[in-house]
Amino acid sequence: EVQLVESGGGLVQPGGSLRLSCAASGFTFSNYGMNWVRQAPGKGLEWVSYISSNSGIIHYADSVKGRFTISRDNAKNSLYLQMNSLRAEDTAVYYCARSKGHLDNWGQGTLVTASS
Amino acid sequence: DIVMTQSPDSLAVSLGERATINCKSSQTVLYSSDNKNNLAWYQQKPGQPPKLLIYWASTRESGVPDRFSGSGSGTDFTLTISSLQAEDVAVYYCQQYYNIPRTFGQGTKVEIK
Repeated sequence: EVQLVESGGGLVQPGGSLRLSCAASGFTFSNYGMNWVRQAPGKGLEWVSYISSNSGIIHYADSVKGRFTISRDNAKNSLYLQMNSLRAEDTAVYYCARSKGHLDNWGQGTLVTASS
Repeated sequence: DIVMTQSPDSLAVSLGERATINCKSSQTVLYSSDNKNNLAWYQQKPGQPPKLLIYWASTRESGVPDRFSGSGSGTDFTLTISSLQAEDVAVYYCQQYYNIPRTFGQGTKVEIK
């Protein structure tokens, strides 16, 4: 069974940093591209970032470019999102999702709150 | 960026009746090289992550009931629930994976009338 478990969310002051992790199991992690998708409270889904299976291709939404960094460790079956210079508008549940183009498996999400 | 626009924003349907959700993209999501529409549909129930229902516009994900179907091509797509069940109450999103950035529709909330 495919499992994706996010962690690392929490309350951070605007301007602060946070690192999210996503632990993958139940599939060959190194064969799949991965994504981060977020959802602000009561709002819709917003794609944040993508990383290919070998980290050779990386993309970001304009809203996070230059502030967020996606990475992965295939030996540890883990995906990461380093978030710097956080803003109030980054407050959201962050999901990691496996990619086949479409997003076929999602984690339960971790809540990030950027507030003073 | 490709803008995805869903209609309606919400709808209420009686149990056993048909529910239809439309999704329009601002440009084609059809790859001419393989004739595949890069369009997916997701279901999100309260407090849960999204769940993939349909990909390539009309391919049902494994385990998804056959009352869910997707259709359309190019820029206009439809998700149909042929006979609404109580457990189908959710928000439904379309998403294009034709190019970057991946973009979602604003969501359609389906309720029981």
